[in-house]
Amino acid sequence: DARVTQTPRDKVTEMGQEVTMRCQPILGHNTVFWYRQTMMQGLELLAYFRNRAPLDDSGMPKDRFSAEMPDATLATLKIQPSEPRDSAVYFCASGLPGTSGTGELFFGEGSRLTVL
Amino acid sequence: AQSVTQPDIHITVSEGASLELRCNYSYGATPYLFWYVQSPGQGLQLLLKYFSGDTLVQGIKGFEAEFKRSQSSFNLRKPSVHWSDAAEYFCAVGPPHSGYALNFGKGTSLLVTP
Repeated sequence: DARVTQTPRDKVTEMGQEVTMRCQPILGHNTVFWYRQTMMQGLELLAYFRNRAPLDDSGMPKDRFSAEMPDATLATLKIQPSEPRDSAVYFCASGLPGTSGTGELFFGEGSRLTVL
Repeated sequence: AQSVTQPDIHITVSEGASLELRCNYSYGATPYLFWYVQSPGQGLQLLLKYFSGDTLVQGIKGFEAEFKRSQSSFNLRKPSVHWSDAAEYFCAVGPPHSGYALNFGKGTSLLVTP
């Protein structure tokens, strides 16, 4: 059963610490998305990649956030330094565009980040 | 710019009653339209999607949605709600080609009472 895998599921850290969240997209999916979910803002797109290349990261605070895809099976979202306002659930999703794609996104279960 | 509006933040229905969740979108052309459901502590699961063709689409768990171009709406319906349907429901819109980022509404929280 193919699915998007995210780690860690829960992370509690102190302000100023570095946080790295990881995502393994569904095998064969070449588009990977990072969303952030908060009560106030709902689901916000942070960044997304196609064939490991960043297509759009305009939703991401550039001074402290960075997103990469070291290889086709791993996407990372790093926050350095973390701040209490970064507390949220971070979702990774993958999809498959093109003639065989449907526009549908498949979501991981999320990484809940709490910054104290 | 594309946007999605879900006018109802919370909805409460009795088990067995019918359900309609509203979604309105703003987009220059007919986009791809989606409904996702999120159970507590879980990721989002696709309920159904509309790309083209028949404006009434069927999804999983007995849900259906109707695309109305004239009203820019894509409302989700279910004839008889079960207690297990209690969850957060998100409408999403994407450009009319696959593989691009979806824009989500703020969600509607569904509570089902006995």
